[in-house]
Amino acid sequence: AQKITQTQPGMFVQEKEAVTLDCTYDTSDPSYGLFWYKQPSSGEMIFLIYQGSYDQQNATEGRYSLNFQKARKSANLVISASQLGDSAMYFCAMREVNTGFQKLVFGTGTRLLVSP
Amino acid sequence: IAGITQAPTSQILAAGRRMTLRCTQDMRHNAMYWYRQDLGLGLRLIHYSNTAGTTGKGEVPDGYSVSRANTDDFPLTLASAVPSQTSVYFCASSDLAGGYNEQFFGPGTRLTVL
Repeated sequence: AQKITQTQPGMFVQEKEAVTLDCTYDTSDPSYGLFWYKQPSSGEMIFLIYQGSYDQQNATEGRYSLNFQKARKSANLVISASQLGDSAMYFCAMREVNTGFQKLVFGTGTRLLVSP
Repeated sequence: IAGITQAPTSQILAAGRRMTLRCTQDMRHNAMYWYRQDLGLGLRLIHYSNTAGTTGKGEVPDGYSVSRANTDDFPLTLASAVPSQTSVYFCASSDLAGGYNEQFFGPGTRLTVL
């Protein structure tokens, strides 16, 4: 079973608008972490934001926020005031703590295109 | 601060050849990882190391081996390359001791096996 599901292969948004990228996850571990990474066309992976399973509040980092709905097992990324430089692939990932090893499982990604 | 460096940047390799992808980090992170990225599949973990001297298998370890002789270096070896190993390979590291334990990634190596 896929542990991280990103159902949107591609998303379009106009500059200055907000956009939500969906991510659902599946785990039986009560302790886990959720990450979002950005991969621009240059190829590097850039860490954006983190949400821990026990965190009471949704994580925020500048224009990025994470809409964490634990009961629904979703961790959607919200980008406010989109900029042209936000055009990239976005990956949701989950960390499981399993026998002492911290492993990241990635989704298949969503390609975001920001238009002027 | 360089972070994580990978070499080579790209390589075209004949099937059956041996190849080592190099990865070096200067952040003194205890954990290091190798992923491959294929279109439509996201990133998949090949091997990992929690600390120098220890390694473990990830999701897709077959055909690959790693070593961790010291904290900074984590080479990935393809003993006899096959075309299905054509991919972009990312090395990453993380500090298991604190923070979010987020993984920091290198710039990647694009490998083509013909």
